[in-house]
Amino acid sequence: TQLLEQSPQFLSIQEGENLTVYCNSSSVFSSLQWYRQEPGEGPVLLVTVVTGGEVKKLKRLTFQFGDARKDSSLHITAAQPGDTGLYLCARSGNTGKLIFGQGTTLQVKP
Amino acid sequence: DAGITQSPRHKVTETGTPVTLRCHQTENHRYMYWYRQDPGHGLRLIHYSYGVKDTDKGEVSDGYSVSRSKTEDFLLTLESATSSQTSVYFCATRTPSTDTQYFGPGTRLTVL
Repeated sequence: TQLLEQSPQFLSIQEGENLTVYCNSSSVFSSLQWYRQEPGEGPVLLVTVVTGGEVKKLKRLTFQFGDARKDSSLHITAAQPGDTGLYLCARSGNTGKLIFGQGTTLQVKP
Repeated sequence: DAGITQSPRHKVTETGTPVTLRCHQTENHRYMYWYRQDPGHGLRLIHYSYGVKDTDKGEVSDGYSVSRSKTEDFLLTLESATSSQTSVYFCATRTPSTDTQYFGPGTRLTVL
């Protein structure tokens, strides 16, 4: 299994602060997905990055795919309590199987 | 939203009893997946299906079996539940044209 390592595992910040979550692998992957999961619900796809060096923005969230396609980051600007949740990165395997990182639990305090 | 429902949403059972979890989808997606989620492990694939009666093992399949007799339903069975199978179980679906998976709301299973 080609693992995805996420860091940090837990993050507790104040509203308005910025943060970055990292997803790293020792292997090259063709694409990477970021999901967000709220308590009591299933994960929901935020974005898919495909090209090395690619940057995608979703409102206050910025996703970057490393040039070598071995790592990705999620940056949140001016975090809000509504951003609280579990953030998961995942890479696709054969037949669309997803391999997930351990997840980053984010708590944004008002 | 792929119209995915899971039942039951919560279940408490005893070690050694059989348990079946059901996933139902309304979008006619070809692929269906069962994951378990445990603290510190993210989601791990148990079994998946690439069509009616076509299934295969995932990363953590020991102790689990699945069946898919029609497109909309994917069943996960624990033949003899153990405490190590206490977890939250998620079903997901996907169409062939995309890598996006749509997840159900999950089933929290506790094995005493």
